[in-house]
Amino acid sequence: NAGVMQNPRHLVRRRGQEARLRCSPMKGHSHVYWYRQLPEEGLKFMVYLQKENIIDESGMPKERFSAEFPKEGPSILRIQQVVRGDSAAYFCASSPRDRGNSPLHFGNGTRLTVT
Amino acid sequence: LAKTTQPISMDSYEGQEVNITCSHNNIATNDYITWYQQFPSQGPRFIIQGYKTKVTNEVASLFIPADRKSSTLSLPRVSLSDTAVYYCLVGDMNAGNMLTFGGGTRLMVKP
Repeated sequence: NAGVMQNPRHLVRRRGQEARLRCSPMKGHSHVYWYRQLPEEGLKFMVYLQKENIIDESGMPKERFSAEFPKEGPSILRIQQVVRGDSAAYFCASSPRDRGNSPLHFGNGTRLTVT
Repeated sequence: LAKTTQPISMDSYEGQEVNITCSHNNIATNDYITWYQQFPSQGPRFIIQGYKTKVTNEVASLFIPADRKSSTLSLPRVSLSDTAVYYCLVGDMNAGNMLTFGGGTRLMVKP
């Protein structure tokens, strides 16, 4: 049973380019969460999605960032016109949410470097 | 949203028992307490979850007093490979608010 898969593991972008981060949740999981982690810091919540719905995007910057979780295919976190401050590790987590307080299952992240 | 407070770092030696305490004074009735472990360059890994009293699995034990304002993660006989950051999360997944990680506790296990 494959875990949460994120790709790419490493992504380098120049300032002003677009970054697309992909997340395939665990089989049977319909809830996806995105977090950002700066070096030596904890994880900061960005957005929570269900299939075709954004449930909570309170942690995501209003500009340049967007997220989707289509009916088919992976969840995508998109960062337009990247800046150096976007350099971080971006983690995706999934849960089934059909069993009360199901814990989150995390992928190993995408490390974005903006040059 | 319950805020958590953990020690920033702890040191231990191989074979010792390690107890990491998390304070969550504003925990709500429907909140669960969940602990995660994170190694460098990896995503957090679920360790244990509880609501009250004591929970034990093959990896750790979680002690929660009656008032639930704190919890203690207990790692028996740690090894070098337990060196990691440990996060305590408090929230109600059904309400979608188990969302915020604190700074975590950086555990260093020495030989």
